[in-house]
Amino acid sequence: QQQVKQSPQSLIVQKGGISIINCAYENTAFDYFPWYQQFPGKGPALLIAIRPDVSEKKEGRFTISFNKSAKQFSLHIMDSQPGDSATYFCAASKGDFNKFYFGSGTKLNVKP
Amino acid sequence: GAVVSQHPSWVICKSGTSVKIECRSLDFQATTMFWYRQFPKQSLMLMATSNEGSKATYEQGVEKDKFLINHASLTLSTLTVTSAHPEDSSFYICSARTGYTGELFFGEGSRLTVL
Repeated sequence: QQQVKQSPQSLIVQKGGISIINCAYENTAFDYFPWYQQFPGKGPALLIAIRPDVSEKKEGRFTISFNKSAKQFSLHIMDSQPGDSATYFCAASKGDFNKFYFGSGTKLNVKP
Repeated sequence: GAVVSQHPSWVICKSGTSVKIECRSLDFQATTMFWYRQFPKQSLMLMATSNEGSKATYEQGVEKDKFLINHASLTLSTLTVTSAHPEDSSFYICSARTGYTGELFFGEGSRLTVL
């Protein structure tokens, strides 16, 4: 059973547009929700993370929106750039951080 | 952010040989390290969790005798693929957790090709 479901699988956005990637989870014990960015042939890098006590967190062009009642969270990339083209993974973890559950990934292509 | 170094980045070996991959946390002490396997265009599959000084905890379906994990110190964990076969060819990624903050930092990954 997949603990974290991610959509869409792939996304094409024009330069300057907004990229939106969605994730949903079932386990209400999760309380840490990070997003990772991965370029081909490289390991994932932490992009931004949120805890359920806030509904939104913004860092530069990247924003996480969190809906606790719906058990959903999303990544918004404002003013998307070709350099943002990568695969993005959402994840979830319980408070002990002993295990992270990853979404299936979204391949983002930002066209110039 | 914290740096996790993984070595080697690429390794090619013959079938039947063993390969060791190192994962080091360069500027922090990693109480827990995780090893993942990633197939092309797929998500990260957790193989095992290792805590410093104790035996690794393997995920269901991962062969303990094939994938030996040693977490010798707070900054070093190693993954040894024993008697490698072509089906073991994959991208292996380690990650390390900083203390109790939960932040997970990944290595650059190691591409293993078994001929």
